[in-house]
Amino acid sequence: SAVISQKPSRDICQRGTSLTIQCQVDSQVTMMFWYRQQPGQSLTLIATANQGSEATYESGFVIDKFPISRPNLTFSTLTVSNMSPEDSSIYLCSVEFFSEQYFGPGTRLTVT
Amino acid sequence: GIQVEQSPPDLILQEGANSTLRCNFSDSVNNLQWFHQNPWGQLINLFYIPSGTKQNGRLSATTVATERYSLLYISSSQTTDSGVYFCAAEGISNFGNEKLTFGTGTRLTIIP
Repeated sequence: SAVISQKPSRDICQRGTSLTIQCQVDSQVTMMFWYRQQPGQSLTLIATANQGSEATYESGFVIDKFPISRPNLTFSTLTVSNMSPEDSSIYLCSVEFFSEQYFGPGTRLTVT
Repeated sequence: GIQVEQSPPDLILQEGANSTLRCNFSDSVNNLQWFHQNPWGQLINLFYIPSGTKQNGRLSATTVATERYSLLYISSSQTTDSGVYFCAAEGISNFGNEKLTFGTGTRLTIIP
């Protein structure tokens, strides 16, 4: 299995500001995934991040709002830009390892 | 993309009871996984089961790929089993661009 850590674990931010979430994996992986889980809802894929190329965004998510970096095979960041209260969610990093998907502990974001 | 439906949406049981959670999916799958999200938000892998039957302690899962459903069985429920159970499926694509799609989840509450 893969061990994934995320920082910060939680944050409270003011509207209009940005927050960068870090994800670290203990193994080298080709693809890393970023998900959003709004309160009481299921998980929605934001984007897939491959090392050395631009992230691929799902419908409804754009790079200007959720820029992603993938500088190496064990690390990625997701920035939530120009935040509004609607961005209050849990943001989860995930990797696929031998066909199984593993998740980090999540970052619980509250925007006031 | 693939559609994933879970039932029931909510389940409240007495400690010691058994339960069956169901996941229906709309297309053939490469990947099907069951996750448990604990009250702290952590997603824990339970089973990778695109077909067949697996057992792990009090939990077992069966996927009947030809009929497009999967079942998760929990026996002798404990309060620590409480949380939300998600089924997630990845369809088969000729373009290699299928993603893991999550169902809406089953919220299980075990009462002591």
